[in-house]
This record gives sequence, C-alpha cells and structure tokens, in this order.
Amino acid sequence: KQEVTQIPAALSVPEGENLVLNCSFTDSAIYNLQWFRQDPGKGLTSLLLIQSSQREQTSGRLNASLDKSSGRSTLYIAASQPGDSATYLCAVLNAGGTSYGKLTFGQGTILTVHP
Amino acid sequence: GAVVSQHPSRVICKSGTSVKIECRSLDFQATTMFWYRQFPKQSLMLMATSNEGSKATYEQGVEKDKFLINHASLTLSTLTVTSAHPEDSSFYICSANQGNMNTEAFFGQGTRLTVV
Repeated sequence: KQEVTQIPAALSVPEGENLVLNCSFTDSAIYNLQWFRQDPGKGLTSLLLIQSSQREQTSGRLNASLDKSSGRSTLYIAASQPGDSATYLCAVLNAGGTSYGKLTFGQGTILTVHP
Repeated sequence: GAVVSQHPSRVICKSGTSVKIECRSLDFQATTMFWYRQFPKQSLMLMATSNEGSKATYEQGVEKDKFLINHASLTLSTLTVTSAHPEDSSFYICSANQGNMNTEAFFGQGTRLTVV
C-alpha cells in the first residue's frame, strides 16, 4: 500500500528565506507527483505536476524535483513571502496495486512566513 | 488551469436529514471525478470514484448507501450524504482531471458540512 510522508509537519520562517519541503513515497510505481497548496477552509490549488519520467518542474519561485527510484520529491520555495503561508500537500498518482489510478496524499506541511 | 466548482461551500443540517453536494467541471468534460473527505488537520482521504453513466466505485470502509454518488453528465457529479449524523461533519472535496488520469488534477473549493 502506497504511503506518502511529508517532512516537516510545520515550518515557520521569516520573510525572504529560501525553504525546502520534503515528500517521500514508498512505492515507486507512480505516474506522476503533484504539489498542491491549501489555504484554511479552502480547496486545493495545483502548484506543480511532475511526470514520472521528469526530474523537475519550475513555476516562478517554485521548483519541484522528483527522484522516483528513491521515492523522494522536494518543493523549493525561493524568497518566501507572507502570502506563501498555507498548507502544502504532495500527492502521487499510483500506477499499480489496489490504488491504481488514484492519488495518495501526504499529511501536508503547514508553512508560516512571518514579516 | 481548468476550473472545478463545488456547491455549496458551507452547509449546516440537522441530524437525520440528507445533504447534496454538487461538483461541476466548468470548462471541460470529466468522465471521472473523485470525492475526498478531510478531517481537521488531516490529509485527504479518497471516498469514491465517480464514473459518468455508471456506478461509483467506493473505497474500503465507505458506506455506499450513506454516501450516494450520481454522475449523470460529463460535467456534474453529486454526493448526497443521507441521514446525516454529527460524525459525518467534515470537509468534502471533489476533483477531476482535464483529460486522462495522468494529467493535472483540479479540485473544487470544498464543502464544509456541519451536522447538528
């Protein structure tokens, strides 16, 4: 059964810092990995999608990497801003097993960027 | 990106009543939609896969008679929580992919259900 773990569970940083969020998964049989942002009481906003054949994706100040063989992904946020404060979730789209074709989510990292 | 709209965003109902939540893909067609449940400070748990024109597929432990799913068109799936009880209070979120499953998943805004 696929398990997705995110470290750290919470992170508080001053504005302007560069930071890294970590995501690991136990089963490397995945189609893709997606990073999401969730604001309190809201739905999920897709940030980056990395296909299993890709190593990284970039969007603005965000860069996500994927090492499928080792079951790891990182989300790098450059020059953090208070508006980046949210919960960040990673999810893998499973390519095998009983969860085929379904997303498995990590528990999320709660990020607080203070001015 | 694609837009998935969920309605209502918030609902309070009395114990024993039923509540319907709608999930619409606004600018694309979705033969498959997914329904998730999220408890406070926890991650999303898949409840069921909604298939247009056929029965939904439920995850283990999810009561299909309690959580009725109807996917009558390519742009609308509904989740009805029947005979709701306080333990059904939660945040429900739907998602759909624009294209095949190996594309970006787009999520609705979520519905906060409170059963009193």
